[in-house]
Amino acid sequence: QQQVKQSPQSLIVQKGGISIINCAYENTAFDYFPWYQQFPGKGPALLIAIRPDVSEKKEGRFTISFNKSAKQFSLHIMDSQPGDSATYFCAAMEYGNKLVFGAGTILRVKS
Amino acid sequence: DAGVTQSPTHLIKTRGQHVTLRCSPISGHKSVSWYQQVLGQGPQFIFQYYEKEERGRGNFPDRFSARQFPNYSSELNVNALLLGDSALYLCASSPVLTGELFFGEGSRLTVL
Repeated sequence: QQQVKQSPQSLIVQKGGISIINCAYENTAFDYFPWYQQFPGKGPALLIAIRPDVSEKKEGRFTISFNKSAKQFSLHIMDSQPGDSATYFCAAMEYGNKLVFGAGTILRVKS
Repeated sequence: DAGVTQSPTHLIKTRGQHVTLRCSPISGHKSVSWYQQVLGQGPQFIFQYYEKEERGRGNFPDRFSARQFPNYSSELNVNALLLGDSALYLCASSPVLTGELFFGEGSRLTVL
């Protein structure tokens, strides 16, 4: 059962453009929504996270938008750079620290 | 500061063998979790340990087991390896039962 659905599967963006990745969840008990960035051969690295009492969180070029009623959240990468090329995973957690990951989005930023 | 360290980084086993993977959490972190990441997919939760007690288990067969030691390091054991166990095994640590997980670089297991 896929509890977190992520789209698109892959994404190509021009340098300087905006990258947008979307996720939807089903379990209303989820109370923590992180995004992870993973480079080939590396483990996932926490990028930014949000809790459902906030509709938006921004850290540098990265912004999470959260829509609790629609059970959706998204990652926006502003001014995308070639160094942002990686696989991005959304995830969700309910109390107890078990993360449920989306299937991932392969982002390629063209220079 | 040292991050989460895992060993070995790569290993090759044959079907039916047993494997032990090791993880050292970030200093001060008391919770360790294990995830399996099959190529092209997101990580799947296997186990979580906190203060040396199992706090959660994912949908994996009994061939998978784990434990956490008094120094908070952890081992993941997989018995009777199958071809489908080939994956990147990730260890993550967190200070307490919070959402912020810090992942190691993983142990890449290939089963032939």
